[in-house]
Amino acid sequence: TQLLEQSPQFLSIQEGENLTVYCNSSSVFSSLQWYRQEPGEGPVLLVTVVTGGEVKKLKRLTFQFGDARKDSSLHITAAQTGDTGLYLCAPGVATDSWGKFQFGAGTQVVVTP
Amino acid sequence: NAGVTQTPKFRVLKTGQSMTLLCAQDMNHEYMYWYRQDPGMGLRLIHYSVGEGTTAKGEVPDGYNVSRLKKQNFLLGLESAAPSQTSVYFCASRTGTAPFTGELFFGEGSRLTVL
Repeated sequence: TQLLEQSPQFLSIQEGENLTVYCNSSSVFSSLQWYRQEPGEGPVLLVTVVTGGEVKKLKRLTFQFGDARKDSSLHITAAQTGDTGLYLCAPGVATDSWGKFQFGAGTQVVVTP
Repeated sequence: NAGVTQTPKFRVLKTGQSMTLLCAQDMNHEYMYWYRQDPGMGLRLIHYSVGEGTTAKGEVPDGYNVSRLKKQNFLLGLESAAPSQTSVYFCASRTGTAPFTGELFFGEGSRLTVL
């Protein structure tokens, strides 16, 4: 079973449109991270949210951490083709004392011209 | 800056052959990870390590072994490759000093095909 459920699994939109992807869990996390993986590359950290209700903005990307710290969303305004990639969420802390670090299954976003 | 380097980047194996993937990081990170990525499956954790000589099993450890003899290197071995191990393998590392906001740094991936 996935620790984090991401939805939708796949999203295809045209340039200029807005989109939102979600990361949900039944567990409470002290923080959550969002990564983006572009084709042919490894994932890169976009943001870490640490406070319930927190909203962080990274240019056209807006990240929100749920009040109960069980869910998070990523909203992209006026999407560009450069936003194409796999968006992954992960707990911001290890899930065991050995440093275990697992990701959700991800949302594949395709932005077409 | 090298960061995390994986070798080889591409490899084709026949069923039953063995091979080792090498991951090297130059950031003095304590934690290292091996993931595999298959279409529609995201990143699945194979094995991970909290430091030299210490490893642990992840979600999908069967068919793989690992070793961390030096802090900067994490090796992933396939003793008898199977077609189900065809995948893209990613190595990652992170510091242990900021566990609540520690960022994972990834290599570029190693594409393995088992025929």
